Amino acid sequence: GAVVSQHPSRVICKSGTSVKIECRSLDFQATTMFWYRQFPKQSLMLMATSNEGSKATYEQGVEKDKFLINHASLTLSTLTVTSAHPEDSSFYICSARPRTIQGARYGYTFGSGTRLTVV
Amino acid sequence: AQKITQTQPGMFVQEKEAVTLDCTYDTSDQSYGLFWYKQPSSGEMIFLIYQGSYDEQNATEGRYSLNFQKARKSANLVISASQLGDSAMYFCAMREGREAGNMLTFGGGTRLMVKP
Repeated sequence: GAVVSQHPSRVICKSGTSVKIECRSLDFQATTMFWYRQFPKQSLMLMATSNEGSKATYEQGVEKDKFLINHASLTLSTLTVTSAHPEDSSFYICSARPRTIQGARYGYTFGSGTRLTVV
Repeated sequence: AQKITQTQPGMFVQEKEAVTLDCTYDTSDQSYGLFWYKQPSSGEMIFLIYQGSYDEQNATEGRYSLNFQKARKSANLVISASQLGDSAMYFCAMREGREAGNMLTFGGGTRLMVKP
């Protein structure tokens, strides 16, 4: 089945530094990747949608200059948290777009998530 | 207005008993899909079950079934014969429209705790 590999699973960084999170589709081409953020004890909130070869579409309230998304190939999408601050500490998880409605019946494929802690 | 509402922040169930997790949704689209995911403490999102808006029968996947009441806009998850490993967060989600690649909108989640 479709697998999305997400790395790193956990990262601790100092305030002011940047962190890159990668999501790689291992056995299929992910034309679209969704990036979600989940604060403790809360639900998943969509941050942005990235399409291969084009600029990402950000949800309202998400700073595109702070959360840089690159989707340069059909198998790799990255999220870079720039100048991270403690309030950016969260669980970040990516999800690949199903290619067909029939495929969607089997669920969207999620990465395993990245727990970011900014100290 | 919330698109997906899960009114039970937390629930307990005795091992081997059945439990129903509530989900109501709001959409004006005729074509949509409803999903349930399980999220254990590790954080991964595990797909459980899917119901399409045009599906006439309720979806079932092993111990999971979806009680789809279209007129009421509800899509409750029923877990039969609960197991200790079922303890986790459960999220209801919706894809609006006919496009396979449309985003998912998630409810607030329900924490299920299975008692031995």
